[in-house]
Amino acid sequence: EDQVTQSPEALRLQEGESSSLNCSYTVSGLRGLFWYRQDPGKGPEFLFTLYSAGEEKEKERLKATLTKKESFLHITAPKPEDSATYLCAVQGGAGGTSYGKLTFGQGTILTVHP
Amino acid sequence: DTAVSQTPKYLVTQMGNDKSIKCEQNLGHDTMYWYKQDSKKFLKIMFSYNNKELIINETVPNRFSPKSPDKAHLNLHINSLELGDSAVYFCASRVAGGTQYFGPGTRLTVL
Repeated sequence: EDQVTQSPEALRLQEGESSSLNCSYTVSGLRGLFWYRQDPGKGPEFLFTLYSAGEEKEKERLKATLTKKESFLHITAPKPEDSATYLCAVQGGAGGTSYGKLTFGQGTILTVHP
Repeated sequence: DTAVSQTPKYLVTQMGNDKSIKCEQNLGHDTMYWYKQDSKKFLKIMFSYNNKELIINETVPNRFSPKSPDKAHLNLHINSLELGDSAVYFCASRVAGGTQYFGPGTRLTVL
């Protein structure tokens, strides 16, 4: 069974203080690792998809990287508006009834203080 | 131009009642999903439909029954509601091989 563990559970940063969130996973045949951002009272908002070890993607202050066992979401010089819960999910390679199924981690609650 | 929409946004009901949540997507996707997010914010898949055919059915009580009248709609009907059903329910959709996009969620509270 696919498993995803995110750490830390909560992270408090000062504005401008760079840091990283971790997503460790076990999956049978990775088809994709996904990062989402979720604001309170809203649905998850897609950020990145990574498909293979060594891949990196960037968007504004965020950069996602992938190895065979984990992914990191690096946040450079964060601003208060980056405060949210960041969710990591994997899609395994099993076909048939597991088609498109995402297994999520519990999320990291990021708070950026001005 | 909402991509994935859900109604209602909030649903408060008594134990034992039957309720439905509706989901619609205007992205032209052929696969839709229902997820449940518990009080600890953990998102877990419940069901998935591809072109009106059920393709994922996780271990969910049979009081939960999804229905897809067409590939743009996926509704969730819940019979005999229990306290433990209180959660936020999210609908999502995707095109084959693509990214899943989520709706705004329906917060269900069972009293």
